[in-house]
Amino acid sequence: DAGVTQSPTHLIKTRGQQVTLRCSPKSGHDTVSWYQQALGQGPQFIFQYYEEEERQRGNFPDRFSGHQFPNYSSELNVNALLLGDSALYLCASSLKTGGYNEQFFGPGTRLTVL
Amino acid sequence: AQSVTQPDIHITVSEGASLELRCNYSYGATPYLFWYVQSPGQGLQLLLKYFSGDTLVQGIKGFEAEFKRSQSSFNLRKPSVHWSDAAEYFCAVGAISNDYKLSFGAGTTVTVRA
Repeated sequence: DAGVTQSPTHLIKTRGQQVTLRCSPKSGHDTVSWYQQALGQGPQFIFQYYEEEERQRGNFPDRFSGHQFPNYSSELNVNALLLGDSALYLCASSLKTGGYNEQFFGPGTRLTVL
Repeated sequence: AQSVTQPDIHITVSEGASLELRCNYSYGATPYLFWYVQSPGQGLQLLLKYFSGDTLVQGIKGFEAEFKRSQSSFNLRKPSVHWSDAAEYFCAVGAISNDYKLSFGAGTTVTVRA
């Protein structure tokens, strides 16, 4: 059973460009959350997708957007990249049942903005 | 708002010695508390969690944590550290009211010396 997978592993972009990161949830999971982890910091919640809709959002600008597909996979898009967007982007999946369900994290995508 | 403070940025411990990592949280109601471990190139792995009940919780890899409401703390301990425990450790708080959106501390890096 594959866990959470993310692609690509590493990415280098320049300021002003746009980037798309991809996440496939663990088998059987229907909810995907995205986190940004800057160097030396803990992960910061960006947003969560369930039933193809954004359900919760953290304190991130509209440059950060996402999408969830019918197969529950998800994309994170960042427009007009800034140097400060350089970070490890983590995807976590879970199964929404109304109670607590453990979030399983992928290995992340390392984004470097030059 | 919920928040987590991990006072120790870096801890060095000898193999076989005991380990304690500190975590202080801020949350108005009963918190849901978590400890995660992150090894280089890996995603976050859940070590243990506290929701209610017994304030001493056992986790994987021989870790345990104690919830102390009076001190707003959730410290992680391990009686005898192995070299493979070298990693970064994150304390996190979540709440049922926001569907367990996780707020992480900045992390503690553990180095194990032979």
